[in-house]
Amino acid sequence: SAVISQKPSRDICQRGTSLTIQCQVDSQVTMMFWYRQQPGQSLTLIATANQGSEATYESGFVIDKFPISRPNLTFSTLTVSNMSPEDSSIYLCSVEDPARKQFFGPGTRLTVL
Amino acid sequence: QKEVEQNSGPLSVPEGAIASLNCTYSDRVSQSFFWYRQYSGKSPELIMSIYSNGDKEDGRFTAQLNKASQYVSLLIRDSQPSDSATYLCAVGNNNDMRFGAGTRLTVKP
Repeated sequence: SAVISQKPSRDICQRGTSLTIQCQVDSQVTMMFWYRQQPGQSLTLIATANQGSEATYESGFVIDKFPISRPNLTFSTLTVSNMSPEDSSIYLCSVEDPARKQFFGPGTRLTVL
Repeated sequence: QKEVEQNSGPLSVPEGAIASLNCTYSDRVSQSFFWYRQYSGKSPELIMSIYSNGDKEDGRFTAQLNKASQYVSLLIRDSQPSDSATYLCAVGNNNDMRFGAGTRLTVKP
């Protein structure tokens, strides 16, 4: 399986600021995904990021709030914009292999004060 | 109706027992089925995948799939305290993957 890293691993941010989370994969992958996991909850898909096209957002998530970049087949970023305490969560990136198996990065724990 | 449903638990079993985790899904055209293990504070880790009806065994883990009943399960034999975690069921179709809320399993020594 691919080795996935995320930066930062955690951050504490002030309300109204923005944070960009990076996801790096050690091999080329077509499909990358961004999830949010709030405390004690399951995974919620934010968007699918394919290289060379606009990200596809799930219901309840918009590009202005969560802009995503996918400049190549090994890297993606998710920005959480104009943060509020409700954005406090763990943000996870994942990649999918041809058998549709998803593998997750270690996550970014975000706290918004 | 939730797309992927799991009992939230907690499910508690003694060490050495069989733990049985269940999952139902609503989309009949689902094609791929996965079980993830998530330790507290860690990201989900894929432990089993199954694509066709029947059983699939991998070590102490057995995944069972019944597409007619829209049901997938995970059996953990000889449960160990290190199996204590939240287990997430994930169901995929051509378009996306949906995760259940997870079942918290505790294996007591």
